[in-house]
Amino acid sequence: NAGVTQTPKFQVLKTGQSMTLQCAQDMNHEYMSWYRQDPGMGLRLIHYSVGAGITDQGEVPNGYNVSRSTTEDFPLRLLSAAPSQTSVYFCASRDSGGSTDTQYFGPGTRLTVL
Amino acid sequence: TQLLEQSPQFLSIQEGENLTVYCNSSSVFSSLQWYRQEPGEGPVLLVTVVTGGEVKKLKRLTFQFGDARKDSSLHITAAQPGDTGLYLCAGSMDSNYQLIWGAGTKLIIKP
Repeated sequence: NAGVTQTPKFQVLKTGQSMTLQCAQDMNHEYMSWYRQDPGMGLRLIHYSVGAGITDQGEVPNGYNVSRSTTEDFPLRLLSAAPSQTSVYFCASRDSGGSTDTQYFGPGTRLTVL
Repeated sequence: TQLLEQSPQFLSIQEGENLTVYCNSSSVFSSLQWYRQEPGEGPVLLVTVVTGGEVKKLKRLTFQFGDARKDSSLHITAAQPGDTGLYLCAGSMDSNYQLIWGAGTKLIIKP
């Protein structure tokens, strides 16, 4: 049981490039989320999904797209990278809609946009 | 505007000392969670509190949810270097699971 996995661990992009951050979980969780973490700002929700085929925007969705074709995978796409997207990105999953559920995080992707 | 304010932002103390970190808001939360994050890793859940006034203990860590469910505290007794990390609080205001995160308290315990 690997939990939540993310690839790549590190990535450097040039402004304007696109890329996909991969996220997968093997716990059969319905809820998955993408966050970015910046110093002094905590975790900010980018997009989330409540199940396969269903996605919705979080607090900071601009410049990012997501899809959820399977329960296991929830990739995050950067359409045209900007320096403001330099951050650490975390994928997370949880079992259901209960606010007290444990949220499991991946190890993160450290992205630098030059 | 940060809905959950954590204080202090940074704390560096000697091994064996006691400490308290705070998570405050003007909003009422249905539940509140505390996570610890170590460098290069994602946050890991420590505890969830749901009832006003609730106290939970996890070895040397004591968590309290305020009576009005607007604030919470984490007290560590006899801190150890293994307690070093970023402590994050996250609150849920409704049933659709939009967690609101504090900015975190970075804790360093020196041997």
